[in-house]
Amino acid sequence: DTGVSQDPRHKITKRGQNVTFRCDPISEHNRLYWYRQTLGQGPEFLTYFQNEAQLEKSRLLSDRFSAERPKGSFSTLEIQRTEQGDSAMYLCASSPKPRGRPAETQYFGPGTRLLVL
Amino acid sequence: DQQVKQNSPSLSVQEGRISILNCDYTNSMFDYFLWYKKYPAEGPTFLISISSIKDKNEDGRFTVFLNKSAKHLSLHIVPSQPGDSAVYFCAAKSVGKLVFGKGTKLTVNP
Repeated sequence: DTGVSQDPRHKITKRGQNVTFRCDPISEHNRLYWYRQTLGQGPEFLTYFQNEAQLEKSRLLSDRFSAERPKGSFSTLEIQRTEQGDSAMYLCASSPKPRGRPAETQYFGPGTRLLVL
Repeated sequence: DQQVKQNSPSLSVQEGRISILNCDYTNSMFDYFLWYKKYPAEGPTFLISISSIKDKNEDGRFTVFLNKSAKHLSLHIVPSQPGDSAVYFCAAKSVGKLVFGKGTKLTVNP
C-alpha cells in the first residue's frame, strides 16, 4: 500500500484569502477523515466521508470550511476567507472497509501545515 | 471538556528500560482505543490498538492494557530504544471519529 498523501505540505497565505487542500487516501479505503492539530493539542476531528457521502461534521467546521469527496476517492478541504486562527496542521486519514484489517484503524497522511499571516 | 486525557506531558526513560504511557477517558461509549506515535512535522503513525472487549494486546515491544472499570489504558514499551523518542497520542473511537488526548512526549536517553 502507498500511504495517505496530502498536498501541499505547506501553505502560507494572507488573511482573507481562500485555500484548498487535497488528500488522497490509501486505495480501496472507503472512509476518509479530516482533522486539525494546533500546537500542544492532539488532532481534533473536523469531518468524515464514507465513499462520497459526508457523514459527520464537527462544530469546529464553521461555514467558511467545506469538504468534498466527489467520486469517493480523493478529497478536498477548502477554507474561505482565512483567519489567523485557522493556522494549524490539517491532517487527513483513511480507514479500510470492514472486512480485512480492523476498520477502526485510521491511517494518517503527513499533513498540510497552514500559516495565515 | 476533555474526554481523553494524557496527564503527563513528558516522560524520560533510559534506553533498555520500560516506558509506560498512561491515558484516561470519560466516555464509556468508546469501543476502540489506539496509540499513535508522532514526529515533528509528520502525521501520526499508528502503533497498536485494542478493542473494548479485550484487556491486553501485544505487538512486539509494544503492549496496550485496558482497564474498563477504571476507564484507563496504558502503553508499555519494552525495551525502550532511542528511536522511540516522539510524542505519543492516545485516541478513542466514537462512532467513526477519533478523540485524541494532548499527547505525551517520550524521550529515551542512550
